Amino acid sequence: EAGVTQFPSHSVIEKGQTVTLRCDPISGHDNLYWYRRVMGKEIKFLLHFVKESKQDESGMPNNRFLAERTGGTYSTLKVQPAELEDSGVYFCASSQMRTGELFFGEGSRLTVL
Amino acid sequence: ELKVEQNPLFLSMQEGKNYTIYCNYSTTSDRLYWYRQDPGKSLESLFVLLSNGAVKQEGRLMASLDTKARLSTLHITAAVHDLSATYFCAVGSNSGGGADGLTFGKGTHLIIQP
Repeated sequence: EAGVTQFPSHSVIEKGQTVTLRCDPISGHDNLYWYRRVMGKEIKFLLHFVKESKQDESGMPNNRFLAERTGGTYSTLKVQPAELEDSGVYFCASSQMRTGELFFGEGSRLTVL
Repeated sequence: ELKVEQNPLFLSMQEGKNYTIYCNYSTTSDRLYWYRQDPGKSLESLFVLLSNGAVKQEGRLMASLDTKARLSTLHITAAVHDLSATYFCAVGSNSGGGADGLTFGKGTHLIIQP
């Protein structure tokens, strides 16, 4: 069975450009999360979907970040316009239950120049 | 605000030795996870601990949870080189009000030397 997959694995863009990251969770997992690790900092929660609904987006840094999960399957995280401080690794994770095992993807590394 | 502290942040040890990584957290929690990460790889789930006194073991790793002390430990027995990695603990808050995300510790970078 495929795990959580993320695309792209690495993206390099200039400040002011737009980037869209994609996450395909494990099939059947209603819960989908986005996390981010900025260089030298802890892994931080961004938001949580249950199916197609945003359950908790308290960790989203600002309105330049937009997450969607149309149809409750894959999710996208768009950064527009990107700033230097957005550089980091963006992880996606999915689970069947909120208190169940949480499976992470390999992350999408974003570098903003 | 939930805070998670791991210690040590870096650990170099010899094969065959035992050691413990500690994870303290600041508020009540309903779930605690231990993850392993190899460089450039995903976070691999090791243990999920849900209740006070929970103890789980897998090979040379054993994790425990004391919710009263707000402390979890990851114990390594007779370490081998293959266990070299970064280990994270992550805690979920049950305080409500949009507390769905996990709060991660800074990670413990473990190097096991032959």
